[in-house]
Amino acid sequence: GNSVTQMEGPVTLSEEAFLTINCTYTATGYPSLFWYVQYPGEGLQLLLKATKADDKGSNKGFEATYRKETTSFHLEKGSVQVSDSAVYFCALSTGNQFYFGTGTSLTVIP
Amino acid sequence: SAVISQKPSRDICQRGTSLTIQCQVDSQVTMMFWYRQQPGQSLTLIATANQGSEATYESGFVIDKFPISRPNLTFSTLTVSNMSPEDSSIYLCSVEDQRQGARYFGPGTRLTVT
Repeated sequence: GNSVTQMEGPVTLSEEAFLTINCTYTATGYPSLFWYVQYPGEGLQLLLKATKADDKGSNKGFEATYRKETTSFHLEKGSVQVSDSAVYFCALSTGNQFYFGTGTSLTVIP
Repeated sequence: SAVISQKPSRDICQRGTSLTIQCQVDSQVTMMFWYRQQPGQSLTLIATANQGSEATYESGFVIDKFPISRPNLTFSTLTVSNMSPEDSSIYLCSVEDQRQGARYFGPGTRLTVT
């Protein structure tokens, strides 16, 4: 079946550190892949997406590349800020179904 | 992307009562979704609501407990009935942009049942 596995948190980083949050997926066909961010007390916001292999999604300094050969969509940011503290969800869509990972909590300390 | 609002943003309710959550979208959408997010957890789909038809519920969720209305293409309600403390969660309304294939979410309703 279809599923998303992302690295467990919580993750704590110092400001300006490099961030990687791993996400791997299992899917039939050619899913679209997404990263969502949930800031404290808010709903989910779409951060970035990629719809086919080798696509790179990017937004607000975050990037993720759709790697079909490794079935991965890892989220990266070169220099995190305190304002990036949030929970990050990896997700995939098969067209009529959406699957979310369990979420990774990130705390950035000054 | 669609702008989604929910009311109320939060509530504290007594056990045994019911709460109706409203979701308003700024554009017409075919499908609306209701999710539950328990504290510190991921999202669980409760049901899919299409205008003009009965909602489709996921395994573990039933209409008697979570009745849904979808009177038009921009509005839906979810009722949490006969509440117990286990219903304490964030309830999220969502819509899908079929061109982008992405789902967009409202700000959520934070429900505490005492």
